Amino acid sequence: ETGVTQSPTHLIKTRGQQVTLRCSSQSGHNTVSWYQQALGQGPQFIFQYYREEENGRGNFPPRFSGLQFPNYSSELNVNALELDDSALYLCASSLVRGGGDTQYFGPGTRLTVL
Amino acid sequence: AQTVTQSQPEMSVQEAETVTLSCTYDTSENNYYLFWYKQPPSRQMILVIRQEAYKQQNATENRFSVNFQKAAKSFSLKISDSQLGDTAMYFCAFEELVGKSTFGDGTTLTVKP
Repeated sequence: ETGVTQSPTHLIKTRGQQVTLRCSSQSGHNTVSWYQQALGQGPQFIFQYYREEENGRGNFPPRFSGLQFPNYSSELNVNALELDDSALYLCASSLVRGGGDTQYFGPGTRLTVL
Repeated sequence: AQTVTQSQPEMSVQEAETVTLSCTYDTSENNYYLFWYKQPPSRQMILVIRQEAYKQQNATENRFSVNFQKAAKSFSLKISDSQLGDTAMYFCAFEELVGKSTFGDGTTLTVKP
C-alpha cells in the first residue's frame, strides 16, 4: 500500500504565471483535500474533492481551482500567481468524506513565487 | 466561522517528563471532530489522536491523551513519558461534519535529553 505522494517537491515560479500541483491519494481513498501552509502557520483549507466533485471550499479566490480524476488522484491549479502564494501546499486523502475520518498527508510541494 | 487557537507557540520538556499542549476553538456547531496532528521536521503531517464531540470520554492513544471540555471549547493534548522523537510541531484541528478542516497555527515542541 503506497502513501500519499505529491509532485513536484519544489517549484519556483514568477508572479503572474500559472502552476499545477499533483497529488496521488492513498490506495482506496476517494476523498482528497488541499491545504496551503505558509511559513510558521497552520495549514489553511483550500478545497476538498470527493468522487471527482468539489465537496467544500475554504476562503480562497477562484484562481485556485482543482480537479479529481477517476483514479482519485488530484490536481491543484493556481492562476495569476502572487507573491503571497509562496507556501507549502499539502494534499491529504481519506477513505470517506467527512465523518472525522483520518486524513493521510503527503510530503507537500514547496512553491516559491518570485 | 470556526477558529482554532493554540496559545503556546513554543514549548520544551525534558525527556521522560509530561507536557500538555493547549488548544481552544470556537464554533456554533454541536457535532464535530477534533484532532491533534504532528509535523516532524521532515514535514509530513501525521495524526496523533482524534476526538468525536459527541463522546464525553477523553480519547487516549498510548502515551497521548486529551482533555476535552466541550462547554469550554477546550481540547488539550497531554504527552506522557516524552521521547526525543516527539520533537515536532503539533497542530490542533477542528473538522465540520462535511469535512472542512480548520487548523491552529501550531505549537513547536522540543524534547530535551
